[in-house]
Amino acid sequence: EDQVTQSPEALRLQEGESSSLNCSYTVSGLRGLFWYRQDPGKGPEFLFTLYSAGEEKEKERLKATLTKKESFLHITAPKPEDSATYLCAYGNKLVFGAGTILRVKS
Amino acid sequence: KAGVTQTPRYLIKTRGQQVTLSCSPISGHRSVSWYQQTPGQGLQFLFEYFSETQRNKGNFPGRFSGRQFSNSRSEMNVSTLELGDSALYLCASSYQRAGDEQYFGPGTRLTVT
Repeated sequence: EDQVTQSPEALRLQEGESSSLNCSYTVSGLRGLFWYRQDPGKGPEFLFTLYSAGEEKEKERLKATLTKKESFLHITAPKPEDSATYLCAYGNKLVFGAGTILRVKS
Repeated sequence: KAGVTQTPRYLIKTRGQQVTLSCSPISGHRSVSWYQQTPGQGLQFLFEYFSETQRNKGNFPGRFSGRQFSNSRSEMNVSTLELGDSALYLCASSYQRAGDEQYFGPGTRLTVT
């Protein structure tokens, strides 16, 4: 069965303390790995799409990378406004992981 | 460009009733997908519509149905509501297919009492 697993479930960082979120997947034929950000009470906001191992994409303090079995979302020098739930998903039907809740304290 | 809009934003229904939710995609987007989000199950795919045809379907009972109109607007219907149907229902649109970049609406919060 295709699965997407995210870790950690929750992460608390001090402002400026860099870290990484993990998304591991077991899928039959990767069609695209997606990262989304979701703020409380809102719909997910698209961040990145990765299609092949070795691919990297950056946006402000975020960088997403992809290997054959997992994807990482690196957060460099985070700010309190980066606090949100980060979701990864894959495929046509967008199978979502459970998400990582990130809290950044000033 | 206007984003995805969903109506209503909040809804309270009683067990056994039915409900219809509406979604207007981003202009030019032809694929509309629906998702259910709950604290226990997370985000789960319901179905995808493209050019008025259901193209993909998730593992939900037949009480959940949808349709898409010629202007790409979509509705989803849930019949014979159960308490477990309480959730945030999200609509997402993309240009051609659900596997492309999807843009989500704010969701409809459905509470079943």
